[in-house]
Amino acid sequence: QSLLTQPPSVSGTPGQRVSISCSGSKSNIGGNIVNWYQQLPGRAPKLLIYSTNQRPSGVPDRFSGSKSATSASLAIRGLQSEDEADYHCATWDDSLKGWVFGGGTTLTVL
Amino acid sequence: QEQLVESGGGVVQPGRSLRLSCVASGFSFSNYAMHWVRQAPGKGLEWVAVISYDGSNKNYGDSVKGRFTISRDNSRNTLYLEMNSLRTEETALYFCARARGSTWYEWPVYWGQGTLVTVSS
Repeated sequence: QSLLTQPPSVSGTPGQRVSISCSGSKSNIGGNIVNWYQQLPGRAPKLLIYSTNQRPSGVPDRFSGSKSATSASLAIRGLQSEDEADYHCATWDDSLKGWVFGGGTTLTVL
Repeated sequence: QEQLVESGGGVVQPGRSLRLSCVASGFSFSNYAMHWVRQAPGKGLEWVAVISYDGSNKNYGDSVKGRFTISRDNSRNTLYLEMNSLRTEETALYFCARARGSTWYEWPVYWGQGTLVTVSS
């Protein structure tokens, strides 16, 4: 059972905007940055968003991150078929003194 | 080009040991902290361990503390994970990942393709 809760799946149609939530607590999201990783089918995870709302070089600005209190969100606008992947949130947990990941969310582009 | 190649996975019986390796190239390995993260079949990611750039600081996930040991050899650009007393539920794809910086609290940035560990009798 992960300390960070994500919906198992979300879906959308091309061009649509979708959002993926990541719910935690004061000891993790509440006091630390959040990162998001994209994992295409059969591939290794790739850093998508770091420090809650920053994009690494090469990541389209269609992807954005935000945080409020003990929850974080990843938003994808202008959905494309190649966005179909698993998305994982991650943050530091002050109580565990370690990194924690959400259970992952599978995005399906209909 | 940055590259991480894991090896050492395979089938092992419960209670036995296994050592994983991760060879790095394309970046200054000795300047970065390194992580191990695993993913059970069809499941999410689980952080396993991290080691600072010089090996002086290490940290482990609660589920592996006391049984797994992370280490590195900067002269060989290689990261290791020694796994003892393996359990069936630890069957997973094990990834190594470069951290953002040198310290053990920096997050994973670049990941290898993983090596599969199957714990089964």
